[in-house]
Amino acid sequence: KNEVEQSPQNLTAQEGEFITINCSYSVGISALHWLQQHPGGGIVSLFMLSSGKKKHGRLIATINIQEKHSSLHITASHPRDSAVYICAVIAGGGADGLTFGKGTHLIIQP
Amino acid sequence: EPEVTQTPSHQVTQMGQEVILRCVPISNHLYFYWYRQILGQKVEFLVSFYNNEISEKSEIFDDQFSVERPDGSNFTLKIRSTKLEDSAMYFCASSPSGRVSYEQYFGPGTRLTVT
Repeated sequence: KNEVEQSPQNLTAQEGEFITINCSYSVGISALHWLQQHPGGGIVSLFMLSSGKKKHGRLIATINIQEKHSSLHITASHPRDSAVYICAVIAGGGADGLTFGKGTHLIIQP
Repeated sequence: EPEVTQTPSHQVTQMGQEVILRCVPISNHLYFYWYRQILGQKVEFLVSFYNNEISEKSEIFDDQFSVERPDGSNFTLKIRSTKLEDSAMYFCASSPSGRVSYEQYFGPGTRLTVT
């Protein structure tokens, strides 16, 4: 069974700071997702990646398959980035469902 | 932009009652999922559904749960006899095609409260 660990659990930063959220998993995967959950509960998919790096606006996600590690970076952070960021993986071997981390609660102060 | 919708947004039911949670996935998507999130805990996978049958299910998805795609648009999760511990946010998701190659698009969730 895959264990997904995220760090930090909570992060408070000032507007404009560069943010890094880390995710580690215990066994090989087919893909890794970064998701954003707002206070109302809704979940939005940010990235799906299986290798390398992806960028969307101020968000960058990287994955190192050998080290079983991924990072989500936010450049020029803004209060509207405040949310819970969740790492989730799909195991190899034909699995469908995502295994989720506990999430990182990010607060960006103006 | 197409989105996954779920109804109702909040359902309150008494222990032992049956509930049906409804989802309308994005129209050209082929894979459908149910997840749940107990308050304060992480999101957990329940079941995936493809080609009108269950593709994968977790150990949470026991005989009390069932899923159905009764028509071309709806995807439902039924809990036959609800327990207090079924209280959670239930998320439906859909994916265009293939198991791992595509993002999953989540609905806004149904908050189920069992009293």
